[in-house]
Amino acid sequence: QVQLVESGGGVVQPGGSLRLSCAASGFTFSSYNMHWVRQAPGKGLEWVAFIQYDGNNKQYAESVKGQFTVTRDNSKNTLYLQMNSLRPEDTAVYYCAKDQGGGSCSFDYWGQGTLVTVSS
Amino acid sequence: QTVVTQEPSFSVSPGGTVTLTCGLSSGSVSTSYYPSWYQQTPGQAPRTLIYTTNTRSSGVPDRFSGSILGNKAALTITGAQAEDESDYYCVLYMGGGIWVFGGGTKVTVL
Repeated sequence: QVQLVESGGGVVQPGGSLRLSCAASGFTFSSYNMHWVRQAPGKGLEWVAFIQYDGNNKQYAESVKGQFTVTRDNSKNTLYLQMNSLRPEDTAVYYCAKDQGGGSCSFDYWGQGTLVTVSS
Repeated sequence: QTVVTQEPSFSVSPGGTVTLTCGLSSGSVSTSYYPSWYQQTPGQAPRTLIYTTNTRSSGVPDRFSGSILGNKAALTITGAQAEDESDYYCVLYMGGGIWVFGGGTKVTVL
């Protein structure tokens, strides 16, 4: 069965950096586009980043462009999100999500999320 | 900046029907936006309900259906049950590898 397990969250000071990981299993990771989605405490979902199956196309929400970088290692079945210059408003649960594929432009499986808290 | 709109909240009686909508601050939602819907209960990860407008995800009960109603995407729950009390989010594909979520609708079943 498909499993997505995020890790790397924690408490970081404003201006700091953090790298999140998402370990994937149960499907051919190298064949699917992947996403990061976040949810601030008590708020709604916000799409953050997209990476194509081969890593050759990446897109970001305006709110994180130039600050976050999404990458993947298909040999390790792992998705990453490098977050720099963190601000309190980046505090959120970060979910990785598998793209449905087949041109559906949607998400099918989600991880349980990892909490990032930006605070001094 | 494109804003995806959803009703903040809805209340439905057990066994009743409720239709949630997903619109755009400017323009109409069509199938070209590949609308999809997600259900989330507090403390849990989202669950995929509907994708490409009206395709139910595996294991989703058929009381959930998706459509385009007028100029919006819609999620209808027919015969609501207590376990349907959740937050519901739509997301639209804007093209160019960009997605935008709506603000979510909190559905209460009582």
